[in-house]
Amino acid sequence: DAGVTQSPTHLIKTRGQHVTLRCSPISGHKSVSWYQQVLGQGPQFIFQYYEKEERGRGNFPDRFSARQFPNYSSELNVNALLLGDSALYLCASSSPWNEQYFGPGTRLTVT
Amino acid sequence: EDQVTQSPEALRLQEGESSSLNCSYTVSGLRGLFWYRQDPGKGPEFLFTLYSAGEEKEKERLKATLTKKESFLHITAPKPEDSATYLCAVQGNTGNQFYFGTGTSLTVIP
Repeated sequence: DAGVTQSPTHLIKTRGQHVTLRCSPISGHKSVSWYQQVLGQGPQFIFQYYEKEERGRGNFPDRFSARQFPNYSSELNVNALLLGDSALYLCASSSPWNEQYFGPGTRLTVT
Repeated sequence: EDQVTQSPEALRLQEGESSSLNCSYTVSGLRGLFWYRQDPGKGPEFLFTLYSAGEEKEKERLKATLTKKESFLHITAPKPEDSATYLCAVQGNTGNQFYFGTGTSLTVIP
């Protein structure tokens, strides 16, 4: 079975721009979570979606938004990019037993 | 607030030298404690879930244990391919998010 997929793999943006990151969960998983991981730190929770509904939001500004589609794939959007948004963005899909399986991540660099 | 502290931050072992990594946690009602392995530039790889104190899980050279305040990841006779960052996360009963520690960077020297 395919694991969690994310696109793009790498992305370079300029301050003030907007970015959209995409994620497809493991087949059969209905919940998707997004995390931000900066170098040397553990992943920080941004959002969780289940059946297209937001089920949790971490301590991130309103510049960050997300949505989940009927096929359970998800998008994370970040507006007005700042240098501090440079990080590895991880998507995880949850099994029925609440275990989270992560994708390979999208490396975002803001210059 | 739910919180996870991992120690040590970094650990260097000789091949075959067993050791343990620690994960101390504070959570309002533990729903699960999770261990992950992360290689540089990649997403975390799921290893174990522990749900209640006294529970143990094993996989190859790794064994995870859980008490009411902490979890240990024991590595028996490690090999160089075990080199990675090991992350611990908890989920409490006040929300759906996972709280991660900063990880332990393990280096196994041949």
